Parts: sequence; structure tokens; C-alpha cells
Amino acid sequence: GAVVSQHPSWVICKSGTSVKIECRSLDFQATTMFWYRQFPKQSLMLMATSNEGSKATYEQGVEKDKFLINHASLTLSTLTVTSAHPEDSSFYICSARVGQGVEAFFGQGTRLTVV
Amino acid sequence: GDSVTQMEGPVTLSEEAFLTINCTYTATGYPSLFWYVQYPGEGLQLLLKATKADDKGSNKGFEATYRKETTSFHLEKGSVQVSDSAVYFCALSMSSGYALNFGKGTSLLVTP
Repeated sequence: GAVVSQHPSWVICKSGTSVKIECRSLDFQATTMFWYRQFPKQSLMLMATSNEGSKATYEQGVEKDKFLINHASLTLSTLTVTSAHPEDSSFYICSARVGQGVEAFFGQGTRLTVV
Repeated sequence: GDSVTQMEGPVTLSEEAFLTINCTYTATGYPSLFWYVQYPGEGLQLLLKATKADDKGSNKGFEATYRKETTSFHLEKGSVQVSDSAVYFCALSMSSGYALNFGKGTSLLVTP
């Protein structure tokens, strides 16, 4: 299957700093990527839909100024958590589809810990 | 709106036991259905899928059949192994432009 690579796999940052998470489609072009957040022992919550060359679409309740998404190329989307606080600590996962396929491929996730 | 409901866990089974994880869905149209598996500290891996009614998805001994009449997509495996211990997510998607809707996940622990 297609490969989605997410980096870093884990990061620890100080409160008030910003953290950037990258999501790359390695062997295909992804016009749309999705960002999810997962709390411990819970399901995935869709945060936003990232569209190449245009603004991301955020889900209700997700602060777009705090979670900046950039999808500047067909193989890269980034999520920047700005002015991170301990409550932003979570597992963030991206996914992408190949063309018009219904199957979604997921990155390995990023464990963010804000101290 | 579209949603997925799956059985609460955790589920604990002995090795070689039969596994069923129930999943039902609510959708306005005809979604594609998926089972994903997540191992500790990792992202999600597609386990199997079905794109239309009566389709059966299968992989690694796991099976699920898309039942439109009961709006269900139950996951089954005849003989589980310790290595099957993970969290299993049922999900649906209405089309390729939309994100997946996930169930809450079911944790499976298989003991020797």
C-alpha cells in the first residue's frame, strides 16, 4: 500500500513554544490530507482537512490560529501547534488518500508532550 | 450525521479463541466500511475494507461482511493469537473527499 510518513514520532517541548509536525506521502501525491488527534484510550478526532494550495478546513471547536496547517505541495502537509500548553499534549496522526480511492493511509503518529 | 458504533472493550481472550467485535453504522448513503488496527504507540493500519453491500473484506485471518440490511460490519477471526492484541477501529467513509468517521475503538488482549 501507499506510505505516509510522519515526523517526528515524538517530541517534548516547553510550554509557550511552537512545534511543527510533518506529514509526507512518500510514493503518491495527496491533494487532501487529514489531521487527527487521539487522546489516551480514545478514538481519533478529526481536527482538519488539509487541501493542497488552499486553506485548511477545520472542524468545529478546533482553533485554527493555534493549530496551523499548511499543505504547500502534493506530498507534504504540516501541522504547527503554536504556543503549546500542557493540554495540547496528545497523539497527532495524519492520513491521506491515493487519488479517488476510498482507503486512507495513516502516518505513524506523533506523540506531543508539553511540559 | 454519519456515525459508527462499536462494542466497548476491553476484550480479553485466550489464544485460539474465536473473536467477534461488533460494529454498526448510521449513514445517509452507501458508505465504504473499514477496520483499522492500532498497535501501542503506532499509527493505524488498514486491516480490511468493503465498499458495497454483501462484500466481504478479509486479511490475516480476519473477516467482515458489509450487511446493509442490519447496517453492520462485524469483525471476526476464528483463532486469535497473542500478536493480535491491539486496538481495533471500525470506520466509514462516504467518499474519497471526506475523512473517515471512526468508532471509539475496541481493545483486544489475547493471553497465552
